[in-house]
Amino acid sequence: DSGVTQTPKHLITATGQRVTLRCSPRSGDLSVYWYQQSLDQGLQFLIQYYNGEERAKGNILERFSAQQFPDLHSELNLSSLELGDSALYFCASSVQGLNEKLFFGSGTQLSVL
Amino acid sequence: GENVEQHPSTLSVQEGDSAVIKCTYSDSASNYFPWYKQELGKRPQLIIDIRSNVGEKKDQRIAVTLNKTAKHFSLHITETQPEDSAVYFCAASMTTDSWGKLQFGAGTQVVVTP
Repeated sequence: DSGVTQTPKHLITATGQRVTLRCSPRSGDLSVYWYQQSLDQGLQFLIQYYNGEERAKGNILERFSAQQFPDLHSELNLSSLELGDSALYFCASSVQGLNEKLFFGSGTQLSVL
Repeated sequence: GENVEQHPSTLSVQEGDSAVIKCTYSDSASNYFPWYKQELGKRPQLIIDIRSNVGEKKDQRIAVTLNKTAKHFSLHITETQPEDSAVYFCAASMTTDSWGKLQFGAGTQVVVTP
């Protein structure tokens, strides 16, 4: 167990819908990252937060948004869902967010039908 | 932005043999190179990492080498065992404005056959 908690584990929804994925980092970690893993594209970096502020952005679609709350948990919001958004979404956390070990959660498997 | 290429995409080895996975990166400013192992249905986990001021690092049966001039780094697994079967991801990161952004390679599926 990495100490990073992601909910829900599985999510099935329809195209056009909106979903929220939740992540609680390890105790003491200030930085949270979101990654998308699909079969044909490996692990794609989406976004990073540090202590409530956005710090780095990757290939995150405009339909997606995220935030980190004062208690350091993070949420990833996916809207106007398309079939191609079906993937495994990982959250990871680290202490400072400065080139250090990432601890991954178990992921949320999103299926858009 | 950084681009990381990883080869091969699949690797089959006999138990006891060595496995080598190679990655190249595009941005010469990258200075942190971790390797993650992901077993089937599980989360990625860090197995070893190297920073740009070091050319080689070893931890038991795994080692990583870095060639900054050529912009490539490699993972070496010796005396492979069935439990080494997994997908291995290399990654590269540079600190811009003091924040690292890991870019992962596409992964290598390693299968160790008894």
